[in-house]
Amino acid sequence: GESVGLHLPTLSVQEGDNSIINCAYSNSASDYFIWYKQESGKGPQFIIDIRSNMDKRQGQRVTVLLNKTVKHLSLQIAATQPGDSAVYFCAENQGNLIFGKGTKLSVKP
Amino acid sequence: DTGVSQDPRHKITKRGQNVTFRCDPISEHNRLYWYRQTLGQGPEFLTYFQNEAQLEKSRLLSDRFSAERPKGSFSTLEIQRTEQGDSAMYLCASNLGANVLTFGAGSRLTVL
Repeated sequence: GESVGLHLPTLSVQEGDNSIINCAYSNSASDYFIWYKQESGKGPQFIIDIRSNMDKRQGQRVTVLLNKTVKHLSLQIAATQPGDSAVYFCAENQGNLIFGKGTKLSVKP
Repeated sequence: DTGVSQDPRHKITKRGQNVTFRCDPISEHNRLYWYRQTLGQGPEFLTYFQNEAQLEKSRLLSDRFSAERPKGSFSTLEIQRTEQGDSAMYLCASNLGANVLTFGAGSRLTVL
């Protein structure tokens, strides 16, 4: 069936470096994608979203890139900080949000 | 507004017992969603309400699960005759129309 998934389950980066978290989706009809951040013991927190009529969207220290040709989504975090340590999920809107498995980001001081 | 509130935050129960979780969404949000999340996985959709109407239910929502939103404000999720496989984090979220979901902190269920 259709699914949203992530390439890597874990990512470790040095504080100050840039982080890139990837996501592959399989439903080519999807027109809206969201990235969520989930810290331990908390619910998912919205980071940034993008519609399929765009290929890039920037927020504060975060950028989402969408490549519809290969059905790939990425989240870039600039100057990664210890507070960025969390699990990151991409989600695809199919009427309801369908989440991938998540990537755990660890930031080394 | 303090966001989406869920109660209790943690529940430990014995197999076969019934449990009920409560969700208070953001007050002006007309849509309310329940998700289930197991360790190491992303949240899985269970059901959602628009005002008091339950509009969609996932096949994950077995007959032992029932959700209500009687007045279009808070919602309850009841699990009857709990099984060990029900152990998970139950997340509630709300939004207004098609806007981004705001999640609560979740209710963690452990079935012994």
